Amino acid sequence: KAGVTQTPRYLIKTRGQQVTLSCSPISGHRSVSWYQQTPGQGLQFLFEYFSETQRNKGNFPGRFSGRQFSNSRSEMNVSTLELGDSALYLCASSLASGERTDTQYFGPGTRLTVL
Amino acid sequence: GQSLEQPSEVTAVEGAIVQINCTYQTSGFYGLSWYQQHDGGAPTFLSYNALDGLEETGRFSSFLSRSDSYGYLLLQELQMKDSASYFCAVRDRRGGNYQLIWGAGTKLIIKP
Repeated sequence: KAGVTQTPRYLIKTRGQQVTLSCSPISGHRSVSWYQQTPGQGLQFLFEYFSETQRNKGNFPGRFSGRQFSNSRSEMNVSTLELGDSALYLCASSLASGERTDTQYFGPGTRLTVL
Repeated sequence: GQSLEQPSEVTAVEGAIVQINCTYQTSGFYGLSWYQQHDGGAPTFLSYNALDGLEETGRFSSFLSRSDSYGYLLLQELQMKDSASYFCAVRDRRGGNYQLIWGAGTKLIIKP
């Protein structure tokens, strides 16, 4: 089975621009979660989608949004980019949402640099 | 608030044993997970504890004490390839849905 894929792998943008990141989960996985990772900050949860519906949301401003398509692929959008948005954005897929023992499988991430 | 505490960095010698601790403070608790992340790589799942006690998977073991809100990851017979960051994550429940709360990660440095 192919793993989680994310595109693009690297991205350079300038302040004020917007960006869209894409994530394709493992075949059969219906849940997709997005995380922001910065040095020393661990993984900060952005949101989770399951069957095209947002199930959970972290504490990020409304500039961060996402969606999930019927094939479970997900996109994340960040509008009006700020320097502090520079980070590694990770996508993780799992079989289902709301399961206690659900293991998350991560993609390689998209490294976003905002200049 | 919710928080997980783990050391930022641990150093050990190849072939030795190392323990990485994790203490948590969350409104709910539905299991403690450990993930490994090599530099430039994606986090990968290592282990999961829902009940008190020790779970062993090869050279790696994970322990949980719910009464102490504490767990640890034990790595034995350390190899250079174990050099990575290790994250603990607690599954909490919000609005009927389970969500993972992550620690900031522990960088494990292994010396020959």
